[in-house]
Amino acid sequence: AQKVTQAQTEISVVEKEDVTLDCVYETRDTTYYLFWYKQPPSGELVFLIRRNSFDEQNEISGRYSWNFQKSTSSFNFTITASQVVDSAVYFCALSEPNTGNQFYFGTGTSLTVIP
Amino acid sequence: GAVVSQHPSRVICKSGTSVKIECRSLDFQATTMFWYRQFPKQSLMLMATSNEGSKATYEQGVEKDKFLINHASLTLSTLTVTSAHPEDSSFYICSARLRVVTGEQYFGPGTRLTVT
Repeated sequence: AQKVTQAQTEISVVEKEDVTLDCVYETRDTTYYLFWYKQPPSGELVFLIRRNSFDEQNEISGRYSWNFQKSTSSFNFTITASQVVDSAVYFCALSEPNTGNQFYFGTGTSLTVIP
Repeated sequence: GAVVSQHPSRVICKSGTSVKIECRSLDFQATTMFWYRQFPKQSLMLMATSNEGSKATYEQGVEKDKFLINHASLTLSTLTVTSAHPEDSSFYICSARLRVVTGEQYFGPGTRLTVT
């Protein structure tokens, strides 16, 4: 079973639009960590955020914001006023200490921002 | 922040030859490193977990005799693709675990392997 589901395979938005990338996870552990990474065409993974399971506060960092909802097992990522440089593949990931902190990656969402 | 490097960034080799990819944690010691493989437009798939001083743990379906992993020091892990074939062409990414408790991993920039 897929532990991390990113249902949106590809999204295209026009520059300056807001866009939300969905992430739904599955775990039986009470302690776990959620991550978002950006992978531009160069291939290098860029760390965006880490959230532990005990911290449900939403976070905002510039144009980026994250909505963590344990009740729905979701950790969605919103980009406000999107820019062309935001075009990339975005991965959501889950880490469980009980399984050696192995990373479970979602299948990724490819975001294209059209100028 | 923690930095992980990979070398080479790109490599082209002929079918049947072996290729070694290095993964180094530059400013921290990593007892555990991970190797991932990523095919075009797909997600990262964990190949193996490399622990310093011991044998690597391979994921199901990954041939340990084909993908040799060595983690000889706290800052270096190597992946050797032996007798490479065109189907081994892929993007290989390593990561190093910084903190056990939080599971933080720092990823290398990746190595693009093309086997002709």
